[in-house]
Parts: sequence; C-alpha cells; structure tokens
Amino acid sequence: GQSLEQPSEVTAVEGAIVQINCTYQTSGFYGLSWYQQHDGGAPTFLSYNALDGLEETGRFSSFLSRSDSYGYLLLQELQMKDSASYFCAVTGANNLFFGTGTRLTVIP
Amino acid sequence: GAVVSQHPSWVICKSGTSVKIECRSLDFQATTMFWYRQFPKQSLMLMATSNEGSKATYEQGVEKDKFLINHASLTLSTLTVTSAHPEDSSFYICSARDKGEPQHFGDGTRLSIL
Repeated sequence: GQSLEQPSEVTAVEGAIVQINCTYQTSGFYGLSWYQQHDGGAPTFLSYNALDGLEETGRFSSFLSRSDSYGYLLLQELQMKDSASYFCAVTGANNLFFGTGTRLTVIP
Repeated sequence: GAVVSQHPSWVICKSGTSVKIECRSLDFQATTMFWYRQFPKQSLMLMATSNEGSKATYEQGVEKDKFLINHASLTLSTLTVTSAHPEDSSFYICSARDKGEPQHFGDGTRLSIL
C-alpha cells in the first residue's frame, strides 16, 4: 500500500519561512510532487523531485531524500496569498497518490 | 500550454439524476486521464485511471457501475455519476497527462445532490 504523512496545519507570519514535511511509504516510487490548492480551486503544480536534493523555483524549494522516504516544501518570504492547502504526492508508474494535505495560514 | 478544461464547474441536481462531467485537454494529447474525488477538508482520492481507447482502471472501493468513465479520444474523457444520491456530493477533479509529462488538473466540478 501507499501512505503519506504531512502535518495537518501550519501557521506562519508574513515574510517568514515555513517548511512542510512529508514522509511516505510506497511500493512504487518515481518521484515526489508538491501541489498548492486554494479553497474551492483545483490543485496547482508547484514542484517535482525525482532525485535526492533541493529543487528551487523562486520563493518555493522542494527537497527529497529517497533513502529516508522524506521530502519537504520550503516557502520563503511568505505572502498572504500563500495561505492554502499544500499536498505532497508520490508519483508512481502511472498515477499520483496524494498526502493528507497541510493547511497553511499566513498571518500579518 | 498544457491546459485542461473541465465542465460543468458546478452542478446541483435531484437525487436519482445522472450527471456527466467532461474533461478536455486543449493543447496536448492526453494519453492518460485521471478522475479524483475530494470531500471537504480532505485529500484528493484517485477514483480511476483511463487510457485512451481502453477501459478505465478503478481504485478499490469505487463502483464502476456507478461511476462510468469513457475516454474515447486523446483529448476527451467523461465521468458519468449514475443515479446520484446525496452521499455522492463532492468535488470531482480530472487531470490529464501525455507520456512522460506531469499531470495537469482541470478546475474541478462541484456536485451537489439534493
């Protein structure tokens, strides 16, 4: 089977840095993806890690350690608009399996 | 590029009605399309995976006779919720991908059964 664990809620101050962790157990692993979802909207792709290490895209970075079955999403210079749910997802051979999601609330 | 169009975005209908949701890839060929369901404050749950021209593969616990999926072309997949009941009310999201490419999501359909 597959399972992913993330913290359910995180609160951070505008301008700060926040890290959202994800641990996974899966039988088939090609990579770890991160998605952002605002209330009422569809998921938006943020990043994808197939190999160990850090991937940086603007204010967002994502890290993967395959040996530890662990990854994280790092959000820098937080803005109010970053308040949303963030999902890690294991990419298998032909599908995505989503984690439970982390609700990020950015406060002034 | 890589736009996925899903409609309708919002449906309200009476119990017992069948509802069809369309998912189209507008600027790429979607060799595989996926249908997800999301209940409030929960994660996306994969319902089924469909490859163009072949029968959909349903996840465990998803009734194939209730959720009919058709993927007749490389740009269109449909999900029909047959004889919908209030417990089927949810947010349904499709995604599409071409071989080796990331999945791209539609905007979702909010289904409310009265």
